Amino acid sequence: GAVVSQHPSRVICKSGTSVKIECRSLDFQATTMFWYRQFPKQSLMLMATSNEGSKATYEQGVEKDKFLINHASLTLSTLTVTSAHPEDSSFYICSAREPRGPSEQFFGPGTRLTVL
Amino acid sequence: AQTVTQSQPEMSVQEAETVTLSCTYDTSESDYYLFWYKQPPSRQMILVIRQEAYKQQNATENRFSVNFQKAAKSFSLKISDSQLGDAAMYFCAYTPVGGKSTFGDGTTLTVKP
Repeated sequence: GAVVSQHPSRVICKSGTSVKIECRSLDFQATTMFWYRQFPKQSLMLMATSNEGSKATYEQGVEKDKFLINHASLTLSTLTVTSAHPEDSSFYICSAREPRGPSEQFFGPGTRLTVL
Repeated sequence: AQTVTQSQPEMSVQEAETVTLSCTYDTSESDYYLFWYKQPPSRQMILVIRQEAYKQQNATENRFSVNFQKAAKSFSLKISDSQLGDAAMYFCAYTPVGGKSTFGDGTTLTVKP
């Protein structure tokens, strides 16, 4: 199956700093990528849909100025958590979908963010 | 809005036995996809099986099979000959064609040796 990488796998930062997470589709071009947040033993919560070359579509309640998403190429989307606070600590997962696939998502391994 | 319900927060099965995880969904669409994903302790989401709504035949992947009842909007996952490596959290997901997915709350499966 298709492979999606995510970097870094874990990051610890101080409150008030910004953190960038990269999501790459390694062997296919992804016109659409998704960013999720997951709390322990809970389901995936969709934060935003990232479309190559256009602005991301954010879900209701997600602060677009805090969670900046850029989908600059067909293989790379980035999520930047700006001015991070302890409540932003979570597990962030990206996924990518092939343009002509059966709507299946290929998931990255996730990034554990801890804000001190 | 579409909803996906997994009514079993936790399930347990003896190694080599069979277990069925339930999933129901709500939609007004006629064409869509349904998926079961597995999330082991590593937290990497792995596709277990997919079902296209327009196909009446139930999907099967080795020890994994589904019982897709379109009229009842039910999509259960059967795991046969359970193995220790099957222990994970399982998520049912509904996806309209070209749209975004809706996930259930998950079922944690424990496999007892």
